[in-house]
Amino acid sequence: QVQLVESGGGVVQPGRSLRLSCAASGFTFSSYAMHWFRQAPGKGLEWAAIVPYDGSNKYYADSVKGRFTISRDNSKNTLYLQMNSLRPEDTAVYYCARRLGATWGFVDYWGQGTLVTVSS
Amino acid sequence: DIVMTQTPLSLSVTPGQPASISCKSSQSLLHSNGKTYLYWYLQKPGQSPQLLIYEVSSRFSGVPDRFSGSGSGTDFTLKISRVEAEDVGVYYCMQGIHLPLTFGGGTKVEIK
Repeated sequence: QVQLVESGGGVVQPGRSLRLSCAASGFTFSSYAMHWFRQAPGKGLEWAAIVPYDGSNKYYADSVKGRFTISRDNSKNTLYLQMNSLRPEDTAVYYCARRLGATWGFVDYWGQGTLVTVSS
Repeated sequence: DIVMTQTPLSLSVTPGQPASISCKSSQSLLHSNGKTYLYWYLQKPGQSPQLLIYEVSSRFSGVPDRFSGSGSGTDFTLKISRVEAEDVGVYYCMQGIHLPLTFGGGTKVEIK
């Protein structure tokens, strides 16, 4: 079955960096585009970034553009989110999710999430 | 960006009774290919979101048939024909036609 397992979250000071990973299994990872979403504590869902199956054209939400980089290693079945210049408002649970089909928003499976806390 | 507006904010439902959630988008979600890219997710307490409905009215694999979606253009509805205890959580609509993907604010469903 499809499994997505995020890791790499933790407590980090403002301005510092963190890299999240998402290990995929149960499907052909290299055939699917992948998303990162986030959810601030007690708040709703926010889309952050998407990378196509081949890692080519990437798109970002304005709130993370220029600071976050989404990437993937298809040989390791792993998705990444490099987060630089972190701000307190980046505090959230970060979810990786699989895109099904060719449309932006058909997101069928989500990981369990990893918590990032940005605080001094 | 497309703004998604959900109502109500919360619902308290007696088991076995129906429930309905409304979602409105600031722009039409109808693509030139004829498909409408509106999705419904349920986030159960302490869990990640799970897909219920895709493209307005298609139930995702394993979703009980008490869940149904309807609507067109900018107005959409999720209905639960008979609410069960396992249906508690926050329901989100999401538009998938344009980036950035955007969500409604969520509707919290609880059992009376």
